[in-house]
Amino acid sequence: AQTVTQSQPEMSVQEAETVTLSCTYDTSESDYYLFWYKQPPSRQMILVIRQEAYKQQNATENRFSVNFQKAAKSFSLKISDSQLGDAAMYFCAYRKGGGSQGNLIFGKGTKLSVKP
Amino acid sequence: SAVISQKPSRDICQRGTSLTIQCQVDSQVTMMFWYRQQPGQSLTLIATANQGSEATYESGFVIDKFPISRPNLTFSTLTVSNMSPEDSSIYLCSARTNRGNRENEAFFGQGTRLTVV
Repeated sequence: AQTVTQSQPEMSVQEAETVTLSCTYDTSESDYYLFWYKQPPSRQMILVIRQEAYKQQNATENRFSVNFQKAAKSFSLKISDSQLGDAAMYFCAYRKGGGSQGNLIFGKGTKLSVKP
Repeated sequence: SAVISQKPSRDICQRGTSLTIQCQVDSQVTMMFWYRQQPGQSLTLIATANQGSEATYESGFVIDKFPISRPNLTFSTLTVSNMSPEDSSIYLCSARTNRGNRENEAFFGQGTRLTVV
């Protein structure tokens, strides 16, 4: 079975600084996707970034980038120039590719605080 | 990406009663899912809502407790039956299509915060 592990229950960063959230996963599949979702206090799950396993290039979305290490099954999220609005729960997630039903498997989450 | 409307956004219910949560998507989607998020925890998949057939439940979740309907490609309901305080959670509806691009990845409703007293 696939699993997703986030070893940092809480992280803190100073505004304008950079922070990295860790995620490891386990799978025997070769075709899959990895995600970072953000959940602010409003409860709305927001997709931050997506990485296709077959792509070697790390995904980037503005201030958000990932370090995807496929052999090590590691998928960390880097937030640059942190802003107060980045404060939220961040969930790492996995989805099988191909013709799978497509549900997500989530890690336990990391609560990110941003200090002014 | 599509927008999901989920209601109610919150409810306080008496134990032993049932609550039906509705999920409406503003465009046709391939898949719809129901997740539970217990207080301070991550999201756990309850079931995949299949259009026109019975939902596919994950281990630990059964149809009698969580009946699900999906009459068409844009709408689904989840009922939490015979509630107990242990059912107090956030319930989230999610949907996605199979078009392969980022915009069609799983998107979520705002969730229903259920408190059972």
